[in-house]
Amino acid sequence: DAGVIQSPRHEVTEMGQEVTLRCKPISGHNSLFWYRQTMMRGLELLIYFNNNVPIDDSGMPEDRFSAKMPNASFSTLKIQPSEPRDSAVYFCASSFGQRTDTQYFGPGTRLTVL
Amino acid sequence: GENVEQHPSTLSVQEGDSAVIKCTYSDSASNYFPWYKQELGKGPQLIIDIRSNVGEKKDQRIAVTLNKTAKHFSLHITETQPEDSAVYFCAATDNYGQNFVFGPGTRLSVLP
Repeated sequence: DAGVIQSPRHEVTEMGQEVTLRCKPISGHNSLFWYRQTMMRGLELLIYFNNNVPIDDSGMPEDRFSAKMPNASFSTLKIQPSEPRDSAVYFCASSFGQRTDTQYFGPGTRLTVL
Repeated sequence: GENVEQHPSTLSVQEGDSAVIKCTYSDSASNYFPWYKQELGKGPQLIIDIRSNVGEKKDQRIAVTLNKTAKHFSLHITETQPEDSAVYFCAATDNYGQNFVFGPGTRLSVLP
């Protein structure tokens, strides 16, 4: 299995631009998670999908962030408009069951907003 | 909600020595405690986990102990090797995955 796939691996953009991060979970997994990692705040859960349905989006920082999961094999995290404070590494993870099952993380997308 | 603290934030050990990282949590309903290892440029990877019905779990050089009364759990790495150098994260959650919270991480350096 290829594991969780994320694209792009690196993204540099200017403030105000729209940014879309993509994730392909492991085939057969029915839970998907988006995390943000920064030095100041560590690993933060942004949103959790189960069977393509958003279950918990309490970690989404503000309305500029949105996430979708149109099918079991694809999810996007969009930031519009982006701000310098959004600069971080964004991870996607998937699990076979729920949060308490092993989460498999992707390699992450390093986002830099200038 | 859950609050997870982790100590120390950095740890340096000589190759072959043992390393211990400790985490404390606040929610007494928490009963699942995974540990993740994150190498440079990679995502976190699960290395071991423990549930509240056991007090200790071992996997080769890695062990985790849990004290539910004191609300703390620890990662023990014996016979450390340079490839153990990484950032280690603990996490805590309840049965339903509510309040799944990661600790701030410990940067372990194993010196040859």
